Amino acid sequence: DGGITQSPKYLFRKEGQNVTLSCEQNLNHDAMYWYRQDPGQGLRLIYYSQIVNDFQKGDIAEGYSVSREKKESFPLTVTSAQKNPTAFYLCASSISHRTTNEKLFFGSGTQLSVL
Amino acid sequence: GQQLNQSPQSMFIQEGEDVSMNCTSSSIFNTWLWYKQDPGEGPVLLIALYKAGELTSNGRLTAQFGITRKDSFLNISASIPSDVGIYFCAGQETSGSRLTFGEGTQLTVNP
Repeated sequence: DGGITQSPKYLFRKEGQNVTLSCEQNLNHDAMYWYRQDPGQGLRLIYYSQIVNDFQKGDIAEGYSVSREKKESFPLTVTSAQKNPTAFYLCASSISHRTTNEKLFFGSGTQLSVL
Repeated sequence: GQQLNQSPQSMFIQEGEDVSMNCTSSSIFNTWLWYKQDPGEGPVLLIALYKAGELTSNGRLTAQFGITRKDSFLNISASIPSDVGIYFCAGQETSGSRLTFGEGTQLTVNP
């Protein structure tokens, strides 16, 4: 089945530690995105990538890093510089960022908590 | 950046009741999307709207693209317990621009 797979579902981070969240898609989509969701709030864009080997900062990129070495994969690293990392992280993809009628398809999310 | 105002923030209704929620923006959008998010899961696309005045249904759900292109509405008829979740609107201002999300409407349905 085509879709977006995020792993792990739950992740715990120790203070000062970097952790990486995985996102893989087999939809052949060009564009991929990372969003952060805090309880009772909407989605805030962290980073997005329109094409392999290219990515742009979103609205809250500080303390995060990404890579896009393959079309199917867009991992997110939460660095030690992110002082409040506890949140629900959502990965999404779309056919192309440069489309008029853009639709995002989401993974099932990763809940990150700080120990 | 662009702001979307989604209301209400939360709703508590009885099973069988109809539900309405809406999103408004300060500028014109070309696309409106409505998503539903179940607890602990990612949002799932319910309805996509691409033309002003467009009215689209998906089962008991009906969404409309406002004539002014600055708002959109989602209605759920005859609600059932599995309708519980967070409903998000999202809009795209111009071709190639990023989607903007509303803050969500938390729906609770009492059996």
